[in-house]
Amino acid sequence: SSVLTQPPSVAVAPGQTATITCAINNFGRFSVHWYQQKPGQAPVMVVYDDSDRPSGIPDRFSGSHSGNTATLTINRVEAGDEADYYCQVWDFTRDQGMFGGGTKLTVL
Amino acid sequence: QVTLKESGPALVKPTQTLTLTCTFSGFSLSTTGMRVNWVRQTPGQALEWLARIDWDDDKFYTTSLRTRLTVSKDTSKDQVVLTMTNMDPVDTGTYFCARTYGSYAMDVWGPGATVTVS
Repeated sequence: SSVLTQPPSVAVAPGQTATITCAINNFGRFSVHWYQQKPGQAPVMVVYDDSDRPSGIPDRFSGSHSGNTATLTINRVEAGDEADYYCQVWDFTRDQGMFGGGTKLTVL
Repeated sequence: QVTLKESGPALVKPTQTLTLTCTFSGFSLSTTGMRVNWVRQTPGQALEWLARIDWDDDKFYTTSLRTRLTVSKDTSKDQVVLTMTNMDPVDTGTYFCARTYGSYAMDVWGPGATVTVS
């Protein structure tokens, strides 16, 4: 079982705010990264190092990390944001990458 | 522009060895801090990290598949190769390579290679 726990699904209406959480256990200090994956496509990084946003990603996407929970927030949700979202960390204690189970964002 | 692309057989038989190649451009795996990961996704499932190779030839593998995986690099060809032995139908899925540089995030991904084991 994954040690990064995400809600399986989140649904929001257009224009509202989507919040996707990633609960992390058994790690020390680490950074969390977030990816968006649309059907049939490769993942795209939307947030890295907890809260940094790569160039080309709208500022509607933001990340935060407090204690053992990381959060991806998408403001003013649009139909095009509908996708699966994954959190990811590098586990330095075991030298392995880890992904969460993914959250399907549905735009109502 | 950084790009990566996976290539390899679309179909392998059970017990065979899968060899996938990630050919990249726009960066060098000789650069300090550069890394290439392999990630897979079986049908309807989450992303699964498989392996990573670093600029200094350090290699890392997921515990669950460690005995079956080997990752290597050919810096002169700008390629990273993943082999997975003893393939099984449950290994059917899409295999991605992705770059990591500086941060441990995977900032650029290839389009993926679909592999069916049957």
